[in-house]
Amino acid sequence: GESVGLHLPTLSVQEGDNSIINCAYSNSASDYFIWYKQESGKGPQFIIDIRSNMDKRQGQRVTVLLNKTVKHLSLQIAATQPGDSAVYFCAEKGFQGAQKLVFGQGTRLTINP
Amino acid sequence: DGGITQSPKYLFRKEGQNVTLSCEQNLNHDAMYWYRQDPGQGLRLIYYSQIVNDFQKGDIAEGYSVSREKKESFPLTVTSAQKNPTAFYLCASTHGQSYEQYFGPGTRLTVT
Repeated sequence: GESVGLHLPTLSVQEGDNSIINCAYSNSASDYFIWYKQESGKGPQFIIDIRSNMDKRQGQRVTVLLNKTVKHLSLQIAATQPGDSAVYFCAEKGFQGAQKLVFGQGTRLTINP
Repeated sequence: DGGITQSPKYLFRKEGQNVTLSCEQNLNHDAMYWYRQDPGQGLRLIYYSQIVNDFQKGDIAEGYSVSREKKESFPLTVTSAQKNPTAFYLCASTHGQSYEQYFGPGTRLTVT
């Protein structure tokens, strides 16, 4: 069935360090992936996306890496700040042509002062 | 300001009652979605609609119903048939053929 999973449900890092959040996906034919950030009690916010014809994409303080060989996606956040504390979800394009996303379970990122 | 609004932010109902959650968008987006989120869990798709007057079941549609009479609006009814309705409900929309979904602020429903 469709599934996008995460290696670690929680991650704690020191303020100023870099964070790496991992995600495994199941559909080798998937050609689009997206990362969202969800703060407590709020709706998810778009962070960055990547298509399967790319291995890496950079945004402001964030980088997404895609390894299609092992069906692995990662989100790197540079110089983490207290405002980065949130749950991070990866998602992939849904199967069978429907215009939908399949979300992973999420990783809770905690920034320690 | 363009965006997606969900109201109310908190909703309380007695068991056995139907309740309708509102979702409105002024982004001129074609597709709209409803998700359910339980504590510490990911998002599970309830229903989605790619055009007006058409919608499809998601992964957990049982006990829910929707309508899409207007492009801007996609209300979700949680019926008494839904066994565990207490959850955080999120509405989203997307434009054209894009897969990037824009989310509303969510409605937290508590049924006792």
